[in-house]
Amino acid sequence: AQKITQTQPGMFVQEKEAVTLDCTYDTSDQSYGLFWYKQPSSGEMIFLIYQGSYDEQNATEGRYSLNFQKARKSANLVISASQLGDSAMYFCAMRDTSYGKLTFGQGTILTVHP
Amino acid sequence: DGGITQSPKYLFRKEGQNVTLSCEQNLNHDAMYWYRQDPGQGLRLIYYSQIVNDFQKGDIAEGYSVSREKKESFPLTVTSAQKNPTAFYLCASRVTESSNQPQHFGDGTRLSIL
Repeated sequence: AQKITQTQPGMFVQEKEAVTLDCTYDTSDQSYGLFWYKQPSSGEMIFLIYQGSYDEQNATEGRYSLNFQKARKSANLVISASQLGDSAMYFCAMRDTSYGKLTFGQGTILTVHP
Repeated sequence: DGGITQSPKYLFRKEGQNVTLSCEQNLNHDAMYWYRQDPGQGLRLIYYSQIVNDFQKGDIAEGYSVSREKKESFPLTVTSAQKNPTAFYLCASRVTESSNQPQHFGDGTRLSIL
């Protein structure tokens, strides 16, 4: 069974600073995908970034980057130059390779202070 | 614009009543998913469907039922057997041809008990 662990219930960051949100995972699959989603207070889920288990380079999408350490089974999200609009819940998720199902972590609430 | 439409946005259920949550997508995606989110928690998979007229149970299917008669539509029925239905319900879809494609989510339905 796949498992995602996000150990930080809440994180605080000053505007314009960088922040790292932790995610560790457990799977017996050799091929898997890791996703990060943002959920604002309005509830919609916004896709941020993807990392495949065979990707050699860490994924980047604008201000988002994924620090993928396969041996440690971690896939931390780094947000650079935080903005007030980044305040939200952030979820790490792993995809089942057979049916595309996602297993989600418990989430981390990020608060950006001005 | 293509997307996923969930309705209604808010729904109230009386004791012993079945209610149906609508999910429609015009993204031409084959796979569709239903998730449940409890306050401050991650998402848990209820049901998923890879193709029309076929669907599988997820991790918490008891008390729920689905149908997939059309590619665009994947309604979820919360039956009276679901004793704790109060939650936020999210529908998602994705293409199945490419493994790195994310799930796209609707805006969700908030279900409460009257």
